[in-house]
Amino acid sequence: QKEVEQNSGPLSVPEGAIASLNCTYSDRGSQSFFWYRQYSGKSPELIMSIYSNGDKEDGRFTAQLNKASQYVSLLIRDSQPSDSATYLCAVPGNDYKLSFGAGTTVTVRA
Amino acid sequence: GAVVSQHPSWVICKSGTSVKIECRSLDFQATTMFWYRQFPKQSLMLMATSNEGSKATYEQGVEKDKFLINHASLTLSTLTVTSAHPEDSSFYICSARKGPFEQYFGPGTRLTVT
Repeated sequence: QKEVEQNSGPLSVPEGAIASLNCTYSDRGSQSFFWYRQYSGKSPELIMSIYSNGDKEDGRFTAQLNKASQYVSLLIRDSQPSDSATYLCAVPGNDYKLSFGAGTTVTVRA
Repeated sequence: GAVVSQHPSWVICKSGTSVKIECRSLDFQATTMFWYRQFPKQSLMLMATSNEGSKATYEQGVEKDKFLINHASLTLSTLTVTSAHPEDSSFYICSARKGPFEQYFGPGTRLTVT
């Protein structure tokens, strides 16, 4: 099973600030990387996919991938209270199973 | 989009009875679906991989005779919890694979066994 590690939380940011989430993975051959958001009591929701080195932006979310350093990050700009959730980094294996990080819980303070 | 539904969203059953949970991909076909379980404040735990037209593969420690999985079509997988006991009470979540690797999760089914 591939190892995926996320920076330990919880992370508390004021409304309007940037929340920065980091994730490292062990398998240098990994090609696909995903960020899921999970609200308390709900199921995970796919919010970002990234496959190539560099940045990928989608609204207030930016995913950054650096395959040489084996890390992927997620930036949430202009954080809103509705962004308060647990964010999961996920990397698929050859058998399509996802390896998840432990998750980083983000709290956005109004 | 990629929408996955689950039914029921919650269920209460008596100890010793069986419960069936359905997972459907509504707008795409999924040759592979996954079943997870999540206890409060814990991480997702993969229970099994469900492949259309073939037997499910179970993760270590998951009893295949207790958690019956059927993937009868490209849009439907079912999980049956047989002879449920209070310790089976949990949040059961399915996901469906779209494309090479992306997985989309259903809304989950909260099972309470009394």
